[in-house]
Amino acid sequence: EAGVAQSPRYKIIEKRQSVAFWCNPISGHATLYWYQQILGQGPKLLIQFQNNGVVDDSQLPKDRFSAERLKGVDSTLKIQPAKLEDSAVYLCASSLQITSNTIYFGEGSWLTVV
Amino acid sequence: EDKVVQSPLSLVVHEGDTVTLNCSYEVTNFRSLLWYKQEKKAPTFLFMLTSSGIEKKSGRLSSILDKKELFSILNITATQTGDSAVYLCVLNNAGNMLTFGGGTRLMVKP
Repeated sequence: EAGVAQSPRYKIIEKRQSVAFWCNPISGHATLYWYQQILGQGPKLLIQFQNNGVVDDSQLPKDRFSAERLKGVDSTLKIQPAKLEDSAVYLCASSLQITSNTIYFGEGSWLTVV
Repeated sequence: EDKVVQSPLSLVVHEGDTVTLNCSYEVTNFRSLLWYKQEKKAPTFLFMLTSSGIEKKSGRLSSILDKKELFSILNITATQTGDSAVYLCVLNNAGNMLTFGGGTRLMVKP
């Protein structure tokens, strides 16, 4: 079974530039998550989708971050404009349903803002 | 607000040692507690715990949950250098919202 796919794996940008990350969840998984993991900390949920609807985006800095999952399959996370403190790994995860206990993670997109 | 606290923050042991990683939590509506191992890439799933007192075991790793005292432990026996990683304790509540602990960084020296 193919896992959660993310791209790009690595990105270096200057502050105030924009960046977009893409995620393709495991086939058939209705629930998709984006997490931000800053070095030395546990992942922090940014946004959770159930199909193409947003379940929780309370911790998403909406002035600069946006995410969409228009067709309920793959998703993009955008940061515009980026700040130095956005340097982190952005992890995408998916689960079969919102009630599923097991969540599968992609390998992450490493962002460095200089 | 749900909360997960892991201890110790970091740990250095020698190959062959046994380690115990701790996770305490606060939750309104418990669904499950998950343990993940994170090396240089994505967290990989280790265990899911839903019931108190039932030990989950996989090779040299085992884990148990105490829902009365609100904690879980992850044991690793006969540690190997390949066990070096960050171990994440994750709380899953009834709304399927995950709360991550800060992780325990384990380093196993030869």
